[in-house]
Amino acid sequence: AQRVTQPEKLLSVFKGAPVELKCNYSYSGSPELFWYVQYSRQRLQLLLRHISRESIKGFTADLNKGETSFHLKKPFAQEEDSAMYYCALSGGSGYSTLTFGKGTMLLVSP
Amino acid sequence: DAGVTQSPTHLIKTRGQQVTLRCSPISGHKSVSWYQQVLGQGPQFIFQYYEKEERGRGNFPDRFSARQFPNYSSELNVNALLLGDSALYLCASSSSGGENYNEQFFGPGTRLTVL
Repeated sequence: AQRVTQPEKLLSVFKGAPVELKCNYSYSGSPELFWYVQYSRQRLQLLLRHISRESIKGFTADLNKGETSFHLKKPFAQEEDSAMYYCALSGGSGYSTLTFGKGTMLLVSP
Repeated sequence: DAGVTQSPTHLIKTRGQQVTLRCSPISGHKSVSWYQQVLGQGPQFIFQYYEKEERGRGNFPDRFSARQFPNYSSELNVNALLLGDSALYLCASSSSGGENYNEQFFGPGTRLTVL
């Protein structure tokens, strides 16, 4: 069975501090990993996916198959980064369904 | 394009009742997926439809059913409502339902409260 674990419910940092949101997964095949973000009063939206290897809004995430992790990182947090972040995995049936973690709330204080 | 739209926004039902939630995908998208998000949890996959056919089903009881119409809009039906069905129901659309992942675009959700 596939599973996504986000160990932290809440991560609180000061503006300018580095951020790392942890995500570990369990999947027997070759998964696709994603980070979704939900800002206050907005809908869930894709932040980045591992195969793109992009940096979006200063965030990066590297898939570590050995540690089965896909941690989200940003060197200098901004107040506008405050949001709910969900790690998600696509696999299994081969169709584009997603298995989400429980989410981590990131609060960036001035 | 307004993006994925869902109706109604909020809904209050009592135990044992039935509910129908509606979703309109982004124009040109042929795949619709439904997710349930209980408070404090991440979204959990319920169904995926593509070209009016069910392509995937999550671990939900048979009280949950869905369908997709020729215009690619979709309905999610839940019968014999339980208190535990109280949740935010999310609809997501993508351009295809093939084996390669296509980005899913989420709607604002329908908040269902069961009393």
